[in-house]
Amino acid sequence: DTGVSQNPRHKITKRGQNVTFRCDPISEHNRLYWYRQTLGQGPEFLTYFQNEAQLEKSRLLSDRFSAERPKGSFSTLEIQRTEQGDSAMYLCASSYRTHADGYTFGSGTRLTVV
Amino acid sequence: AQSVTQLGSHVSVSEGALVLLRCNYSSSVPPYLFWYVQYPNQGLQLLLKYTSAATLVKGINGFEAEFKKSETSFHLTKPSAHMSDAAEYFCAVSDSGNQFYFGTGTSLTVIP
Repeated sequence: DTGVSQNPRHKITKRGQNVTFRCDPISEHNRLYWYRQTLGQGPEFLTYFQNEAQLEKSRLLSDRFSAERPKGSFSTLEIQRTEQGDSAMYLCASSYRTHADGYTFGSGTRLTVV
Repeated sequence: AQSVTQLGSHVSVSEGALVLLRCNYSSSVPPYLFWYVQYPNQGLQLLLKYTSAATLVKGINGFEAEFKKSETSFHLTKPSAHMSDAAEYFCAVSDSGNQFYFGTGTSLTVIP
């Protein structure tokens, strides 16, 4: 069990550019979640996958955001035409069966849009 | 709708003193409740969880929390603070849905 891995750890991008983040969950976990955390706030839910199916999306996930989980393994979160308001920590988490088991979080990707 | 309120964004205690971090929740159904800890530049680590079993829940690193339905509270305690406990603590609530609702966090400082 190597935990939940997120890459890159840090990303600085210019406004208007596209960015993509990757999350590798714990291998036997079939549920994968993306959260966003801004400074001084708790994490906010973005989206959730069960295996390869994206089952729930937050209204925070505008049409500039897209997430995939091909083959039910790793996941990617892409932000197109980044804005300064997208600057945040993007956290990935996974769980074994239900969220009642509790999540295992990755260390996050810190995005700074300049 | 569900929400979490963490009273006190910053708490300072002396090393060896009692730690008490407050969490109140609102939920229309029996909730799942969690406490997570976050160290600088790291993800969140699960401390403990309540999922309708015993109301007093013991977690890692000597922390425990008591679910009080009548007070809609799930306060986190530790009898004796250690320097390594300095971190950000988040309370989270979930119903039968698929997401957690997190509080805004409490930053714990331990004074030597």
